[in-house]
Amino acid sequence: SAVISQKPSRDICQRGTSLTIQCQVDSQVTMMFWYRQQPGQSLTLIATANQGSEATYESGFVIDKFPISRPNLTFSTLTVSNMSPEDSSIYLCSVEGQGVVETQYFGPGTRLLVL
Amino acid sequence: AQSVSQHNHHVILSEAASLELGCNYSYGGTVNLFWYVQYPGQHLQLLLKYFSGDPLVKGIKGFEAEFIKSKFSFNLRKPSVQWSDTAEYFCAVSPGNNRLAFGKGNQVVVIP
Repeated sequence: SAVISQKPSRDICQRGTSLTIQCQVDSQVTMMFWYRQQPGQSLTLIATANQGSEATYESGFVIDKFPISRPNLTFSTLTVSNMSPEDSSIYLCSVEGQGVVETQYFGPGTRLLVL
Repeated sequence: AQSVSQHNHHVILSEAASLELGCNYSYGGTVNLFWYVQYPGQHLQLLLKYFSGDPLVKGIKGFEAEFIKSKFSFNLRKPSVQWSDTAEYFCAVSPGNNRLAFGKGNQVVVIP
């Protein structure tokens, strides 16, 4: 399975500001995904990010709020824009396994608290 | 939209006890099914998965799960738990397009 790292691991931010979360993979992967886990809730898919194309957002998530970059096959960023306390969550990136279709491997997550 | 239900969010049991975690989903078509586990302080890890074939699948660390299509269920079992099985367990479902829908998870605490 791929080794995935995320930065920062945690942060405390003021409302109205933005935070960019980085996701780095140790191998080239086609599909990367961003999830959110709000307190007491399940993981919810935010968007799918494929290199060389626009991210595909799930219902309820928009590019203006969660812009995503995917500049190459090992890296992606998710920005949480104009944050409010409701954005306090764990944000996770995942990748589809190499040669293991339809199986995702997850990063450690970024724990975000918005005051 | 598909949904995934996991009941009994908190489970406490003693070592050597048997564990069964329920997972039900609502989706009418063909699905891929997963159980993930998150040990304290660690990443979410794949425990086992079912795509097709034998509905009884075996995963790591002695876990198994049974897919019952008629019941839209994919329950996780382990005959004899250990203290090291203390973790949060998540069921996830995908209709085959990599868009995973997760349940809310089961927090399992195994008492030595």
